Amino acid sequence: QMQLQESGPGLVKPSETLSLTCTVSGASIRGSIYYWAWIRQSPGKGLEWVGSLSHSGSSYYSPSLKSRVTISADTSRSRFSLKMSSVTAADTAVYYCARTTMAVTSPGSYAMDVWGQGTTVTVSS
Amino acid sequence: QSALTQPASVSGSRGQSITISCTGTGSDVGSFNLVSWYQQHPGKAPTLLIYEVSQRPSGVSDRFSGSQSGNTASLTISGLRAEDESDYYCCSYAGASTWVFGGGTRVTLL
Repeated sequence: QMQLQESGPGLVKPSETLSLTCTVSGASIRGSIYYWAWIRQSPGKGLEWVGSLSHSGSSYYSPSLKSRVTISADTSRSRFSLKMSSVTAADTAVYYCARTTMAVTSPGSYAMDVWGQGTTVTVSS
Repeated sequence: QSALTQPASVSGSRGQSITISCTGTGSDVGSFNLVSWYQQHPGKAPTLLIYEVSQRPSGVSDRFSGSQSGNTASLTISGLRAEDESDYYCCSYAGASTWVFGGGTRVTLL
């Protein structure tokens, strides 16, 4: 059974770069029908799609975050990462990684069907 | 790309049915039949309830159902139970490998 696990520093200073990793067990991130997403949730707020990595290594970002975010695959093929530069207190959130099945009529298609447990990142000096 | 619009809260009595709306635009909800719904209990990760507007993943109760009309999708919970008290989020594929979430709806039992 596939599982996702986020990891990274829980505290980041303002103006620095936030770096998180999602480790995927039970599947390769190069699987042909999957995308891999980062979603965040600020305290007391709703979910926000940050961006996604395709099975071929292409990345796609929220327009509001595009200038500061990079999502990339680890060469091990079982991890992908999120980097967000110039962070501020507004980037304080729980960050989730999730799988998206990109095949219409497949179970969970175009939805985030497997989620990690989330990791809390606080931006503070 | 603006967030989809959901009511902040919806309430109902045990055993009743409630419906949560999710309004987008012709660029997201209205363009693709690819709306999904998630349930999130406090302190937990979201879980998938509905995909492709009305499809349930294996293991999800048939008390949860989804529909769509134009730019508005809906989630109906039938036979409301105490364990249904939670936050619910809609999400739509918005084209070009991008997604947009709704602001979330808190469901409470009266």
